[in-house]
Amino acid sequence: EVQLVESGGDLIQPGGSLRLSCAASGFTFSTYDMNWIRQAPGKGLEWISYIGRSGSPIKYADSVKGRSTISRDNARNSLYLQMNGLRDEDTAIYYCVRVSGGGRSDYWGQGSLVTVSS
Amino acid sequence: DIQMTQSPSTLSASVGDRVTITCRASQSINSWLAWYQQRPGKAPNLLIYQASSLESDVPFRFSGSGSGTEFTLTISTLQADDSATYYCQQYFDFPWTFGQGTKVEVK
Repeated sequence: EVQLVESGGDLIQPGGSLRLSCAASGFTFSTYDMNWIRQAPGKGLEWISYIGRSGSPIKYADSVKGRSTISRDNARNSLYLQMNGLRDEDTAIYYCVRVSGGGRSDYWGQGSLVTVSS
Repeated sequence: DIQMTQSPSTLSASVGDRVTITCRASQSINSWLAWYQQRPGKAPNLLIYQASSLESDVPFRFSGSGSGTEFTLTISTLQADDSATYYCQQYFDFPWTFGQGTKVEVK
């Protein structure tokens, strides 16, 4: 069974940093591209970052570019998102998402809540 | 960036009704479009990919059509369990973008 389990969400002060992790199981992690997608409270879905199966290519949404770094460790079956300079508008549930053939996002984790507030 | 616009934003229908949601892209995305269902408090669930391909284990009452800039998601016979918010998403070009969502209420 495919499982994606996010961790690392927390209450963070504006300007702070956070690293989200995603533990993958039930599939060969190294053969899939991965996404981070977020959802602010009561709002819609926002794609924020993509990483290829071997670590490239890497893509970011403008809203997080320059403040965030996506990475992966295929030996540990793990995906990461380092976020710096956090802002109020980064408050959201962050989903780790598997990308399957052609680009469809076929499996989603349960999400990790990041709250940015003083 | 490619803008995705869904209509309607909300709809209310009865069990057994046929429901159609429209998604328009600001430029051609060929068939690189997916539809997701999100129930309250849950992660989204992939329903349709490549505009019209049904994801495994998704009920056959869901179908997708369209190409280029105009797409539709149809629920042929609405069930109570279909009460959720539905999102379209283009994956033709980065940044991948979502529609604003359509909330479906089952009367």
